[in-house]
Amino acid sequence: DQQVKQNSPSLSVQEGRISILNCDYTNSMFDYFLWYKKYPAEGPTFLISISSIKDKNEDGRFTVFLNKSAKHLSLHIVPSQPGDSAVYFCAAPDNYGQNFVFGPGTRLSVLP
Amino acid sequence: GAGVSQSPRYKVAKRGQDVALRCDPISGHVSLFWYQQALGQGPEFLTYFQNEAQLDKSGLPSDRFFAERPEGSVSTLKIQRTQQEDSAVYLCASGEGSEAFFGQGTRLTVV
Repeated sequence: DQQVKQNSPSLSVQEGRISILNCDYTNSMFDYFLWYKKYPAEGPTFLISISSIKDKNEDGRFTVFLNKSAKHLSLHIVPSQPGDSAVYFCAAPDNYGQNFVFGPGTRLSVLP
Repeated sequence: GAGVSQSPRYKVAKRGQDVALRCDPISGHVSLFWYQQALGQGPEFLTYFQNEAQLDKSGLPSDRFFAERPEGSVSTLKIQRTQQEDSAVYLCASGEGSEAFFGQGTRLTVV
């Protein structure tokens, strides 16, 4: 079964610096991954995705890197802003590619 | 609005009570997912619909949990004889292709 790990439960970064959030997965049958951002009392909102045909996808301040051989992806936020403070979830396809398995999340705090 | 809508936002149930959680997906979205999110954890898959067909219910934790989407749009997640361990946020998502849009969730507290 697909397992998704985000080994850092929390991360604190100074405003203006780079935030790096990491994610590891076990099943690479379907190489398409999503990052979601969640504020308190709200549902997760889609942030950025990456597929296996790329090893990098950039959208403004957000860049996701995929290392297929290591089954690892990371989300970079540059420069970090206080409004980025949220819980970030990484999601990978399940064994059948029909739905996504979420990691436990990393709580990012950007300090002004 | 045009997003996924869930109701109620908050529900307090006495242990043993039945509850029904509603999800109004984005109009036209074929796929609908239910997830359970316990405190401090990521969302965990419960069940998946494609139109009215429930294609995967492998994540439902027990036979007390039942989901339906009879007309391929609105979905209801029903939990019978609620237990304290059912306390969680229940998230609904609808999608097209590989992207899913989440509702705000229903926070269920069983006392």
